[in-house]
Amino acid sequence: QKEVEQNSGPLSVPEGAIASLNCTYSDRGSQSFFWYRQYSGKSPELIMSIYSNGDKEDGRFTAQLNKASQYVSLLIRDSQPSDSATYLCAVNIGENQGGKLIFGQGTELSVKP
Amino acid sequence: DAGVIQSPRHEVTEMGQEVTLRCKPISGHDYLFWYRQTMMRGLELLIYFNNNVPIDDSGMPEDRFSAKMPNASFSTLKIQPSEPRDSAVYFCASSPPDIDEQFFGPGTRLTVL
Repeated sequence: QKEVEQNSGPLSVPEGAIASLNCTYSDRGSQSFFWYRQYSGKSPELIMSIYSNGDKEDGRFTAQLNKASQYVSLLIRDSQPSDSATYLCAVNIGENQGGKLIFGQGTELSVKP
Repeated sequence: DAGVIQSPRHEVTEMGQEVTLRCKPISGHDYLFWYRQTMMRGLELLIYFNNNVPIDDSGMPEDRFSAKMPNASFSTLKIQPSEPRDSAVYFCASSPPDIDEQFFGPGTRLTVL
């Protein structure tokens, strides 16, 4: 069974701190990796995608990918209370899967003012 | 541009009744996905289509569930007969050609009494 694992949290950080969210996956053939943010009662919103080893930065968000370790992370710099949400890691489960993603259970982030 | 559109947003029905959920994907997207989200099981892929053709329905829980995509701009997920354990939020998502990024609709919150 191909899996995506995340710590469920809650992860609590003070406003202005760096929040670090982690995800591991089981399928070595996975090529595409995504982070979604989901506010309570809302739908998942795509915030980052990463396809190559290394870091990808977009504003206050940095995604990090290490395919050898089957590990992907999301860093949120200068965390704001508005970042409080559940963050879902999603992984394409291999080549020729036509975009099928497996989602982790999500990590709940709470940013305290 | 309009995002993924789902209707109804909320549905309350009684056990044994037929339920039909509707989805309009983003124009130009060729993949359409149906997900179910519960606290216990997280976000689960039920079925997905490519160019209106069902590709993988292995996530459909049982024969009570069926999905169709008669054209590129419309899909339905039907539950007949509905049961209380079907209560969940059902999301539709779509993705464009050659890109694995999925964009979610607002969801339908289904309650089966």
